Amino acid sequence: DAGVTQSPTHLIKTRGQQVTLRCSPKSGHDTVSWYQQALGQGPQFIFQYYEEEERQRGNFPDRFSGHQFPNYSSELNVNALLLGDSALYLCASSSQPTGVETQYFGPGTRLLVL
Amino acid sequence: GNSVTQMEGPVTLSEEAFLTINCTYTATGYPSLFWYVQYPGEGLQLLLKATKADDKGSNKGFEATYRKETTSFHLEKGSVQVSDSAVYFCALSLNTNAGKSTFGDGTTLTVKP
Repeated sequence: DAGVTQSPTHLIKTRGQQVTLRCSPKSGHDTVSWYQQALGQGPQFIFQYYEEEERQRGNFPDRFSGHQFPNYSSELNVNALLLGDSALYLCASSSQPTGVETQYFGPGTRLLVL
Repeated sequence: GNSVTQMEGPVTLSEEAFLTINCTYTATGYPSLFWYVQYPGEGLQLLLKATKADDKGSNKGFEATYRKETTSFHLEKGSVQVSDSAVYFCALSLNTNAGKSTFGDGTTLTVKP
């Protein structure tokens, strides 16, 4: 049973560019959440997708957008990259958006903005 | 809003020492509480969880008890090993949205042989 997978593992971009990160949820999961983890800090919630719609959003600007596909996989897009966007981006999946279901995390994509 | 406060690190212990990492929280509803572990260069792994007051989560020798009266969820282990060296995160999520978790800043544990 494959867990949560993310691609790419590492990425280097320059300021002003755009980036797309990808996530495939754990088998049987239909809900995907994205987090940003800056160096030395805990993950910060960006947004959550369920039934191909954004259901919840954290305190992130509109430069951060996403998408969920019919197969439940998801993309995170960041436009007009800033140096401060350098971080580890984590995807997590769960079997439903509410209740006490545990979410499972992928290994992350490390983004460096130069 | 919701928040999680962890004891500041780093924490350095000798092998077989007793471990406590403090965690307190504030929440607007009835949260579930979690401890995650992150090894170098990896994502987060769920270590244990508790979903209601007085529940005790346990895994791999680690334990934490959900204390509603003190709004705490301290992580303990009786005898740490070198392989326990990692960053530990306390987190909460409301039952109304399991996928939106609030994390503490993490505590780095180093265990020396």
